[in-house]
Amino acid sequence: DAGVIQSPRHEVTEMGQEVTLRCKPISGHNSLFWYRQTMMRGLELLIYFNNNVPIDDSGMPEDRFSAKMPNASFSTLKIQPSEPRDSAVYFCASSLGQGRNSNQPQHFGDGTRLSIL
Amino acid sequence: QKEVEQDPGPLSVPEGAIVSLNCTYSNSAFQYFMWYRQYSRKGPELLMYTYSSGNKEDGRFTAQVDKSSKYISLFIRDSQPSDSATYLCAMSAPGTYKYIFGTGTRLKVLA
Repeated sequence: DAGVIQSPRHEVTEMGQEVTLRCKPISGHNSLFWYRQTMMRGLELLIYFNNNVPIDDSGMPEDRFSAKMPNASFSTLKIQPSEPRDSAVYFCASSLGQGRNSNQPQHFGDGTRLSIL
Repeated sequence: QKEVEQDPGPLSVPEGAIVSLNCTYSNSAFQYFMWYRQYSRKGPELLMYTYSSGNKEDGRFTAQVDKSSKYISLFIRDSQPSDSATYLCAMSAPGTYKYIFGTGTRLKVLA
């Protein structure tokens, strides 16, 4: 079975440029998560979608960050304008159902390693 | 105090050793406990997923939850160099989507 697919795997760009990260969740999963991982702060949840609807974006650091999920098989995380402190590894994860009646495990993609110069 | 505490290591062991990795937590509402393995430049890979207390075994891996002590463990038997990775614990409460992750323990299994 295909897992969570993220692209690009690596992105190097200059400060001020727009960055778009992409994610294809596991087919049939209805919950999608974007995380950021750094040495200092570990894994941080940025935003959570359920059935394509953003439920919790309290982890999005600033208005420069935005995320969309136009359909069940695709999500994007956009940073505009990018800054050097945004350099990190960004992971997408998906699961089959979260909430009151279930708590299914999250499955992660291999991430996008982002470097802002 | 963090909700989840995990020793960052690194932990170095000889091949064939039994490895014990641990996390402590403070939130008694946690009922779901996960262990992830993360190789360098890869995403976290789910190893073990347990609900409430007790033990769960899968091949060379055993996950143990002691809710009375708020302590979880992952045991790796007959450790192999291929087990060298960072191991992350994660936990959550019923009815919530949020995982609280430990900072990860780096494990090195020496051939």
